[in-house]
Amino acid sequence: SQELEQSPQSLIVQEGKNLTINCTSSKTLYGLYWYKQKYGEGLIFLMMLQKGGEEKSHEKITAKLDEKKQQSSLHITASQPSHAGIYLCGAGGSARQLTFGSGTQLTVLP
Amino acid sequence: SAVISQKPSRDICQRGTSLTIQCQVDSQVTMMFWYRQQPGQSLTLIATANQGSEATYESGFVIDKFPISRPNLTFSTLTVSNMSPEDSSIYLCSVAGTSGTSNTGELFFGEGSRLTVL
Repeated sequence: SQELEQSPQSLIVQEGKNLTINCTSSKTLYGLYWYKQKYGEGLIFLMMLQKGGEEKSHEKITAKLDEKKQQSSLHITASQPSHAGIYLCGAGGSARQLTFGSGTQLTVLP
Repeated sequence: SAVISQKPSRDICQRGTSLTIQCQVDSQVTMMFWYRQQPGQSLTLIATANQGSEATYESGFVIDKFPISRPNLTFSTLTVSNMSPEDSSIYLCSVAGTSGTSNTGELFFGEGSRLTVL
């Protein structure tokens, strides 16, 4: 089965700082999904990456998938308190059954 | 995008009782998925709910413990049976985003149902 490892497990940054979250797979990724979860709430879809070397951006969040399709990074520029939450990467062979990483808890200090 | 409503949003239950969680989607979808998120853990897929057929359960999950109904293309229920404190989790339903007949690649989630079993 596919295993996803996220790092770091938790991250505390000052508002305005940049940060990066990594997601590494034990197998080649055929679809890598990034989600954000506020405490006790459902997941918000951020981005999906499928091609090696692909990069997508949404507002101040950029996600990349490496050429070998085994690692993805999520980069937040000029972080804000609204970025706080748990970031989860998920992977699967289709857009349906996903395996999730353990999550990265992000705290942004005002 | 899909809008997913789950009920209840949270509940506190007694050991040995059962609770049914409802999931309503604002559009017709072929597959609905039920996930569990135990405290401090990531999400684990419980089962895939197909309309018109029995749900498909993942390893470690059985129908007797988590019976699922899927009466139509916009609704599903998950029952957590004979609950124990180990069942205390957030339960989330999700659907795949579609454009016409194709998957867009997005997976939408409900707000989750937080169950606490005493």
